[in-house]
Amino acid sequence: DTGVSQNPRHKITKRGQNVTFRCDPISEHNRLYWYRQTLGQGPEFLTYFQNEAQLEKSRLLSDRFSAERPKGSFSTLEIQRTEQGDSAMYLCASRMEGSSGNTIYFGEGSWLTVV
Amino acid sequence: AQSVTQLDSQVPVFEEAPVELRCNYSSSVSVYLFWYVQYPNQGLQLLLKYLSGSTLVKGINGFEAEFNKSQTSFHLRKPSVHISDTAEYFCAVSVPYSGGGADGLTFGKGTHLIIQP
Repeated sequence: DTGVSQNPRHKITKRGQNVTFRCDPISEHNRLYWYRQTLGQGPEFLTYFQNEAQLEKSRLLSDRFSAERPKGSFSTLEIQRTEQGDSAMYLCASRMEGSSGNTIYFGEGSWLTVV
Repeated sequence: AQSVTQLDSQVPVFEEAPVELRCNYSSSVSVYLFWYVQYPNQGLQLLLKYLSGSTLVKGINGFEAEFNKSQTSFHLRKPSVHISDTAEYFCAVSVPYSGGGADGLTFGKGTHLIIQP
């Protein structure tokens, strides 16, 4: 068990550019979640997957945000045409459905700074 | 929908003193309750969770929390804090039924625990 892995850990990008973050969940975890955390706030749920199926995406912040998990293992979160308001930490988490108590394990996060 | 309120944004405490971080929640259904800790520039680490059964839950690093259904609270306590406990603490809820966004966690805004020497 190597934990949830995210990369890059830090990304600085110019406004208007596209960025992509990758998440590798704990192996055999079938559920994968994306959260966003801004300074001074708790994490905010964005979307989640059950294997390769995206079961909830209505909370993605705008149509500039999209996520995929094509083979049910790693996932990517893409932000198109970035804006300064997108600057935040993007957290990935995973769990095994049916595990006791819905315990969700988080990665270290990917910091995005839009300049 | 569920919501979580952490009443204190910042709690300063002297080293070796006890501490309580407050958490209240709102939900129309039964919930699971969690406390996570976040050290600077890191992800979230699970401290403890309440699923059912005994209302007093013990977690890692000497922390414990008590579920109070009538007061819809899940306060976190530690009898004696250390400098290394300086961090952000988040209370969170989820619902047992998995489906849609309810499957994920709803977090409070966090409480910054500051340990003073």
